[in-house]
Amino acid sequence: SAVISQKPSRDICQRGTSLTIQCQVDSQVTMMFWYRQQPGQSLTLIATANQGSEATYESGFVIDKFPISRPNLTFSTLTVSNMSPEDSSIYLCSVEGGTDTQYFGPGTRLTVL
Amino acid sequence: GENVEQHPSTLSVQEGDSAVIKCTYSDSASNYFPWYKQELGKRPQLIIDIRSNVGEKKDQRIAVTLNKTAKHFSLHITETQPEDSAVYFCAASIPAAGNKLTFGGGTRVLVKP
Repeated sequence: SAVISQKPSRDICQRGTSLTIQCQVDSQVTMMFWYRQQPGQSLTLIATANQGSEATYESGFVIDKFPISRPNLTFSTLTVSNMSPEDSSIYLCSVEGGTDTQYFGPGTRLTVL
Repeated sequence: GENVEQHPSTLSVQEGDSAVIKCTYSDSASNYFPWYKQELGKRPQLIIDIRSNVGEKKDQRIAVTLNKTAKHFSLHITETQPEDSAVYFCAASIPAAGNKLTFGGGTRVLVKP
């Protein structure tokens, strides 16, 4: 399976600021996704990061709050904008590794004060 | 959209006993059902998956069954070991429609030695 890395691994941010999370894969992948895992909860899909076009957002998530870039087939970023304490979560990228399987990055643990 | 329900939310078993986790899904078009294991502070790890053209799949001590008519699928872990203690998530997707995973709420499994 692909090797997936995320930066930063964790951060503590002040409310009202923004944080950009990077996801890097060691091989070209067609599908990349961003998920949120709130404390003690399950995973929720934020958006599908499309290479060369705008991301596709799920209900409840908007581009102004979670802008996503996908400049090539190995890299994507998720920005959490104008943060509030409710944005404190683990943010995970995933990639499709062939045969429909998805593999997750190590996650970015975000705390907003 | 798809809704996945998972039961139980917590499960405590004696080492060596079996553990069963059940999930139901709402969208009859879903045809890919992965299971993930997430240890504390770690990323979700794919442990087994099943597609709708298969009724059962086994991998050593782990098995998954699927009943398409009833729209439910289950994870079976036999001869449980302390290292099986983790949170387990089921998920459902339609690979041909973007392969967006919808997760169940998770089951916290504790294997007591």
